[in-house]
Amino acid sequence: EAGVVQSPRYKIIEKKQPVAFWCNPISGHNTLYWYLQNLGQGPELLIRYENEEAVDDSQLPKDRFSAERLKGVDSTLKIQPAELGDSAVYLCASSPRGLAGGGDEQFFGPGTRLTVL
Amino acid sequence: GQSLEQPSEVTAVEGAIVQINCTYQTSGFYGLSWYQQHDGGAPTFLSYNALDGLEETGRFSSFLSRSDSYGYLLLQELQMKDSASYFCAVRAMDSNYQLIWGAGTKLIIKP
Repeated sequence: EAGVVQSPRYKIIEKKQPVAFWCNPISGHNTLYWYLQNLGQGPELLIRYENEEAVDDSQLPKDRFSAERLKGVDSTLKIQPAELGDSAVYLCASSPRGLAGGGDEQFFGPGTRLTVL
Repeated sequence: GQSLEQPSEVTAVEGAIVQINCTYQTSGFYGLSWYQQHDGGAPTFLSYNALDGLEETGRFSSFLSRSDSYGYLLLQELQMKDSASYFCAVRAMDSNYQLIWGAGTKLIIKP
C-alpha cells in the first residue's frame, strides 16, 4: 500500500514569493491534515479536512495561507506571500476515519521543507 | 488552555530499558498518543491510550493514568535504531479534539 505522498520535498524561495505544496493521501482515507513543524518542536495543526470539507481551520493564518481539497482526495496548501517566519517543514497526514472513529493513528507523508530567504 | 510536558532529551544504553514521561493539562481529555520521528523523517504512530493502564506492543509499551494526567512510553531492549524523537500528543475537548503535540523527547542511545 502506498503511503502519503508529498511534493516537493524541498523548496527554497525568496520572501514575498508564493509557494504551493501538494499532498496525495492514502487511498480511502477520508481525513486529511496539514501540519507545520518547526525544528525541535512537535507538529502544529493548520487545517483538517473530512472528505472535501475543511472542518477545522482555526489555526490557519488565513491572510496568507489557503488550502483546498478538491474531490476529497488530493490537497494543496498555498502561502502567498511567504515570510521569513514561514520556514519550516509542512507535513501532510491522513487517517481512515474521523474523530468519531476512535483510535488515533495518523499516517504522515515525508513533508516539504520550506526555506524562505 | 492545554499544555504537555516531556523531557527534552534522554540518554540510554543499547539493550537497556528507558521510560519517557509525559504530563498534560487539558480539559475534556480524550486520549494520549505516542509517535516516533527519526531525524528528517515523518512521525510514525506507536500507541494510543484512552483508558488507564498499560498497552503493550512488542518492545514498546505505553501507560496512562487519567487521574494523574500522566503517561509514559516504555522502550525495552533498546536498539540503536530506536534513536529518534518521541512525541506525546493529547486529544481533548478544549482543542476541538485535535491532536496537541508535546515538544518531543530526543532519545540518544549509546553502545
